[in-house]
Amino acid sequence: DAKTTQPTSMDCAEGRAANLPCNHSTISGNEYVYWYRQIHSQGPQYIIHGLKNNETNEMASLIITEDRKSSTLILPHATLRDTAVYYCIVRASQGGSEKLVFGKGTKLTVNP
Amino acid sequence: GAVVSQHPSRVICKSGTSVKIECRSLDFQATTMFWYRQFPKQSLMLMATSNEGSKATYEQGVEKDKFLINHASLTLSTLTVTSAHPEDSSFYICSATDRGLSPLHFGNGTRLTVT
Repeated sequence: DAKTTQPTSMDCAEGRAANLPCNHSTISGNEYVYWYRQIHSQGPQYIIHGLKNNETNEMASLIITEDRKSSTLILPHATLRDTAVYYCIVRASQGGSEKLVFGKGTKLTVNP
Repeated sequence: GAVVSQHPSRVICKSGTSVKIECRSLDFQATTMFWYRQFPKQSLMLMATSNEGSKATYEQGVEKDKFLINHASLTLSTLTVTSAHPEDSSFYICSATDRGLSPLHFGNGTRLTVT
């Protein structure tokens, strides 16, 4: 079973920041938070991951609370192409053979 | 970045026939590959985990004799849907990882339609 809880859907205006929350209150000390997104009829695309520090890359920023029980994915300037289902996943290792268990995700719709 | 290629992207077959789907890691050696299935408007469900050179590990409820997985090399895993039926119609997606590679990367999926 997925160990995360996300809102079912969110809307965002084009050009504005999209903030996608995720609750993972039972996360263990060795578990990372991963974010993927899936655009319709494509395979999931990796976005970002982190353990306890905030992370930023060319796609997004990840803010993890100090108690690690929740996180927020931030798309700083959402575009129409960011419309997708966003999955927040906890995973026990940074690499290796640990599988990803997907929950229902958040369907983000970016509106013009 | 890491690339995972999946082929074919779409396939239509008649009921009772078998279909093979290939998953290749193009720029890294995939010691482990995962196969997922996704029905319309649902999330991805893990079917099985395959490690190079050994038998696949199937998730509960997935028939290993129906969904044959072969991971014969570090760059190729195949999923064969045997004696396909209309209820096997789905979106099949593979992902791959190297022990030292983070994170998992996914193929673009195969849309299987069984008529």
